[in-house]
Amino acid sequence: DVHLAESGGGFIQPGRSLRLSCTSSGFNFGDFAILWIRQAPGKGLEWVSYIRSETYQKFTNYAASVRGRFTISRDDSKGVAYLQMDSLKTEDTAVYYCVRDLTRGLALDVWGQGTMVTVSS
Amino acid sequence: QSALTQPASVSGSLGQAITISCTGSSSDIGANHFVSWFQQRPGSVPRLIIYEVNVRPSGVPDRFSGSKSGNTASLTVSGLQAEDEADYYCSSYTRFSNILFGGGTKVTVL
Repeated sequence: DVHLAESGGGFIQPGRSLRLSCTSSGFNFGDFAILWIRQAPGKGLEWVSYIRSETYQKFTNYAASVRGRFTISRDDSKGVAYLQMDSLKTEDTAVYYCVRDLTRGLALDVWGQGTMVTVSS
Repeated sequence: QSALTQPASVSGSLGQAITISCTGSSSDIGANHFVSWFQQRPGSVPRLIIYEVNVRPSGVPDRFSGSKSGNTASLTVSGLQAEDEADYYCSSYTRFSNILFGGGTKVTVL
């Protein structure tokens, strides 16, 4: 069964750092781009970042709202992706989803259950 | 870049057809064929229902269809069912390789 599972969320103060992990199972993780997408409480979906596969040099990209503060990475040998979140702000409070892109064309076919990040003093 | 524009809500009766629009610009929807639609039922994870404008993943009922004209994409649900009541989001790549989402449309089945 194809599966993604996020971990690492929690309650954290503004300005601090947090690292999220996305663990895969049931498919060849290294073949696919991985995205992080977030959803603030009661709000819509917002793209955060993506990392492409080794075939595409693990190209990364970030939303303007997190560029310079968040870093995405992947360890294909472990089947895990990470989102390092530094200088957190209250507006980063959201459920963070790890998502697989089946075709590199926004065919976001596998979603994790999400991990909640709450940034508050 | 601003989010894609979707109507806040759309409603229809059982068996009726509804269409949700998603308006962008020549820098996103108008620039490529990478437009996707997602369904999110209350308390659930989003689910892919259309990608590359009009491709339906396996397991998605054929009453869901997608199209695009210029800078606007559309999702049509034909033969509305009670289980179609959900939030729907469109998404598109931009010409700068960023990803935009629409603000979401709440579909109510009357």
